[in-house]
Amino acid sequence: GENVEQHPSTLSVQEGDSAVIKCTYSDSASNYFPWYKQELGKGPQLIIDIRSNVGEKKDQRIAVTLNKTAKHFSLHITETQPEDSAVYFCAASEDDKIIFGKGTRLHILP
Amino acid sequence: GAVVSQHPSWVICKSGTSVKIECRSLDFQATTMFWYRQFPKQSLMLMATSNEGSKATYEQGVEKDKFLINHASLTLSTLTVTSAHPEDSSFYICSARDWTQETQYFGPGTRLLVL
Repeated sequence: GENVEQHPSTLSVQEGDSAVIKCTYSDSASNYFPWYKQELGKGPQLIIDIRSNVGEKKDQRIAVTLNKTAKHFSLHITETQPEDSAVYFCAASEDDKIIFGKGTRLHILP
Repeated sequence: GAVVSQHPSWVICKSGTSVKIECRSLDFQATTMFWYRQFPKQSLMLMATSNEGSKATYEQGVEKDKFLINHASLTLSTLTVTSAHPEDSSFYICSARDWTQETQYFGPGTRLLVL
């Protein structure tokens, strides 16, 4: 089955700087790669997703890149703000089943 | 985006009792819903896939007789934790797939504490 690895597990960046989270997946059949933000005590919230026919997608301060050959994808957050502090999960999916990475706890330092 | 609700948001029960958690898609129809479990500081683990009008498909290691799933309508799935024990204490999260957008939306989660 699919296995998703995510790094780093914890990331601290200065407010205003950029944050990058990287993930790899194992199943070459996976074709959908969502990213979720989870705040304490809440369910995960979809922040951006990318499908396998696209190499890059951007939505304001958030961008995701996908390298299907290498089976890795990344999340980039620019101009980080205090409200970006949360746990971020990458995920991979071939059919309906979404497999999550272990998460990255992002701290935005004042 | 689409809204998925869960009820209750938290529940405390005694060991040996059963607890039912509801998951509803509020503004779209979901032929497929998913149930996840999340322990503190860990990732979401898929427990089962629930298809409207048919039996749920459980992931390896998840006891189907302990975690009963019913998906009787296109907007409602329920998870019943039967004979709950302290080790069942966790954060249970559902998601619903909006087939028109091919996107899954997650509920706010239900925190279960078994004493």
